[in-house]
Amino acid sequence: DTGVSQDPRHKITKRGQNVTFRCDPISEHNRLYWYRQTLGQGPEFLTYFQNEAQLEKSRLLSDRFSAERPKGSFSTLEIQRTEQGDSAMYLCASSLAGGKRDGYTFGSGTRLTVV
Amino acid sequence: AQSVTQLDSHVSVSEGTPVLLRCNYSSSYSPSLFWYVQHPNKGLQLLLKYTSAATLVKGINGFEAEFKKSETSFHLTKPSAHMSDAAEYFCVVTQGASNFGNEKLTFGTGTRLTIIP
Repeated sequence: DTGVSQDPRHKITKRGQNVTFRCDPISEHNRLYWYRQTLGQGPEFLTYFQNEAQLEKSRLLSDRFSAERPKGSFSTLEIQRTEQGDSAMYLCASSLAGGKRDGYTFGSGTRLTVV
Repeated sequence: AQSVTQLDSHVSVSEGTPVLLRCNYSSSYSPSLFWYVQHPNKGLQLLLKYTSAATLVKGINGFEAEFKKSETSFHLTKPSAHMSDAAEYFCVVTQGASNFGNEKLTFGTGTRLTIIP
């Protein structure tokens, strides 16, 4: 296991379409985080899972967004009825509980462009 | 509540000269602090972290940072810049040293480091 993998790397979609991204964390990591990064800004927290349980969602995460981690391994982030404002880099990170001490590993991200 | 302020959006230094990237934080609890680097089209890479141990933290590629509680600062330094250091740098805070809780990261807006040949 060489790190956190995200798929696809790039996605271009038309406004109104649904998109789904996947994140495969480091296998022994029980925590998984989603962040969104817009141009010129730092990443912003969206949601996180401990094992399969989604424990917190940011107010940034509108009801068009949904995330799952069904078996406590990989996670998906779906955006329904995409809007141009959803264009951003979506980053996934994983850690063990206690990530503050041991660190977080980020994937390379999925860049979404809504046209 | 926690927040991070990166005082410079863009820093330019000549190759071989020192680098200073400034960061101030705010946290309701004892913070953990990180510096991440992001090269174009690459993922975020951890440079170093402070988690309530030694206040002077050494990281990869010759970078280090000093946690100063009285100044609520965590500035990143490197004695001699290299062309490969050109990238975006993020100062990051999260709450406390406890293993409980969200541990979500709060990022600064980033500092773009340019190295002049």
